Amino acid sequence: GAVVSQHPSRVICKSGTSVKIECRSLDFQATTMFWYRQFPKQSLMLMATSNEGSKATYEQGVEKDKFLINHASLTLSTLTVTSAHPEDSSFYICSARDRLRARVNSPLHFGNGTRLTVT
Amino acid sequence: DQQVKQNSPSLSVQEGRISILNCDYTNSMFDYFLWYKKYPAEGPTFLISISSIKDKNEDGRFTVFLNKSAKHLSLHIVPSQPGDSAVYFCAGLPSGGSNYKLTFGKGTLLTVNP
Repeated sequence: GAVVSQHPSRVICKSGTSVKIECRSLDFQATTMFWYRQFPKQSLMLMATSNEGSKATYEQGVEKDKFLINHASLTLSTLTVTSAHPEDSSFYICSARDRLRARVNSPLHFGNGTRLTVT
Repeated sequence: DQQVKQNSPSLSVQEGRISILNCDYTNSMFDYFLWYKKYPAEGPTFLISISSIKDKNEDGRFTVFLNKSAKHLSLHIVPSQPGDSAVYFCAGLPSGGSNYKLTFGKGTLLTVNP
C-alpha cells in the first residue's frame, strides 16, 4: 500500500530555535499534501494545504510566517516551525493524496507523525 | 465550533462482541464520511468510508451506517478482536472537496479485551 514517511518521529528543541519536519510519499506522487496538528485529547486540526510548485494555503488562525511550508517536488513537503515556543509543542502529522487516484473520496495516506517538544 | 463530534472518548468491549462507535456532525455540506484507525506512535490509516447518498457501507467486519436526517453515523465492528484496539477517528469531507479538507472528530479509544 501507499506509504508516507515522516521524519523525524520525535524532536526536542530549545525555545527560539527552528525545526524542520519532512514528509515524503514513497511510492506515489502527491501534488497535494496536508499538515495537521493534534493536541492531547483533541482532534487532528488541519493547519495548511501544501501544493507542489505553489504557495501553501493556510487555515484560519495558523501563522504562515511561523509555520513555513515548502512543497518542492511531487514526493516531498516540509514544515518548518520557526522560532519555536513551548506552546508549539504538539503532534504534527502530514498526509498526502495519490495524484493518480485523486477521486474525491479516495483516502489520504498519513505519515506517522512528529512529536515536537519545545523546552 | 466542532463540526464533527465523537462524544465517547473511550469504549471497552469484550472480544467477539460488537463494537459501536458513534459520530455526530453539524456541517450539512459534508458529502463523504471516513473512518480512520490510529495506533499509538503511528499515523491514522483509512478504514472505511460512506457517501452521503448511502445509508450503509460494509467491508468485512466493518460496517458504517449513516443517518443523514439525524446527522449521525456509526461504525460497527463485529466480531471485535484485540487487534482492533486503537483510536478511531470519524472525519467529514465537504462537497466540492477537491482540496480534500477533512474535518476530524476527537477520536474514540476502543479497547477490546481478550
